[in-house]
Amino acid sequence: AQSVTQLDSHVSVSEGTPVLLRCNYSSSYSPSLFWYVQHPNKGLQLLLKYTSAATLVKGINGFEAEFKKSETSFHLTKPSAHMSDAAEYFCVVKPYGGSQGNLIFGKGTKLSVKP
Amino acid sequence: GEEVAQTPKHLVRGEGQKAKLYCAPIKGHSYVFWYQQVLKNEFKFLISFQNENVFDETGMPKERFSAKCLPNSPCSLEIQATKLEDSAVYFCASSPGLAGGPVSYNEQFFGPGTRLTVL
Repeated sequence: AQSVTQLDSHVSVSEGTPVLLRCNYSSSYSPSLFWYVQHPNKGLQLLLKYTSAATLVKGINGFEAEFKKSETSFHLTKPSAHMSDAAEYFCVVKPYGGSQGNLIFGKGTKLSVKP
Repeated sequence: GEEVAQTPKHLVRGEGQKAKLYCAPIKGHSYVFWYQQVLKNEFKFLISFQNENVFDETGMPKERFSAKCLPNSPCSLEIQATKLEDSAVYFCASSPGLAGGPVSYNEQFFGPGTRLTVL
């Protein structure tokens, strides 16, 4: 069965320090992988996506993620956190990358940024 | 339009009442998806459409939930006889399908959601 595990439910960093949000996936096929961000009482915004091209994916707002097949991981990083990054982050997999199948969401990681 | 539109933004129903949610996908997108986000951020896939045809309904609680995507109308998700556990945010997403090109054709674009509160 396909699944996504976000290893931390809550991550707290200081402004200006690096961010690491961890995600592991399980998929039998070549997946597409996504990170979405959800600010309080808002919808979902796509940060970045992996679709079997380059394994290091750059997204919006300085975020990037690296697809590591051997580790089945797709961790999200940012070199320097900003107060506006405080939000809920979802790692998402589409098991059959080239299909129109539904998305499978992780349970989310809440990122807090301290001044 | 250029964004997925969902109405209403908020919906309050008494237990047992009907609730109907609407979604207008991005113009030209062939696929529509409905997801339910409950309490602790858990997203559950409900149903997807390819144009007006059901594509995948494996997530739908069929006894009370129904959905349609008719030509030239917003898609709808209807809950008959709502229960307390139906309280959630319901997100609609659309995807271009093959017409969007090989790289982006399977990306899903989300609407702002409808918050349903059942009292």
